[in-house]
Amino acid sequence: SAVISQKPSRDICQRGTSLTIQCQVDSQVTMMFWYRQQPGQSLTLIATANQGSEATYESGFVIDKFPISRPNLTFSTLTVSNMSPEDSSIYLCSAFGPAGKEEQYFGPGTRLTVT
Amino acid sequence: QKEVEQNSGPLSVPEGAIASLNCTYSDRGSQSFFWYRQYSGKSPELIMSIYSNGDKEDGRFTAQLNKASQYVSLLIRDSQPSDSATYLCAYSGAGSYQLTFGKGTKLSVIP
Repeated sequence: SAVISQKPSRDICQRGTSLTIQCQVDSQVTMMFWYRQQPGQSLTLIATANQGSEATYESGFVIDKFPISRPNLTFSTLTVSNMSPEDSSIYLCSAFGPAGKEEQYFGPGTRLTVT
Repeated sequence: QKEVEQNSGPLSVPEGAIASLNCTYSDRGSQSFFWYRQYSGKSPELIMSIYSNGDKEDGRFTAQLNKASQYVSLLIRDSQPSDSATYLCAYSGAGSYQLTFGKGTKLSVIP
């Protein structure tokens, strides 16, 4: 299975600021995704990170709030912009891979607290 | 609207017993089904995937899929306290890699 790392693992940020989360996969993968998991809740898909093109966002999530980059097949970033306390959550990166396997693996997550 | 229903629990079983976790889904186009285990404060860990009707066994875990009934289950034999976690059911549709998750069932294995 793909090994996924995320940075930072946690952060405490002030409202109005932005935080960029990095996701690194140890092998080339076809698909990368960003999820949010609010306390006591299940996972909600934010967007699909597309290599070399704009991310595909799910309903309720917009590019201005959650800009995403994916410059190559192993790396992606998610920025949480103009943060408010409602953005406090765990943000998870995931990847489908390796090629030929329909299995999705998750990074360790970034625990974000906005004060 | 795509939905995945799971009993939130908590489900308590004694050590050594069989834990049975159930999941129903609404999208008849669903193709692939997954069970993830999530310990408190950790990210989800894939434990089983199943793509066709029937049973799939991996160690102490057995996944069962019935597409006609839109039902997937996970059996954990010889449950151990280390199995105590939240179990998330998820599926992806035809031609899609996107997963839809249930809210999870919290399992507690009592020593």
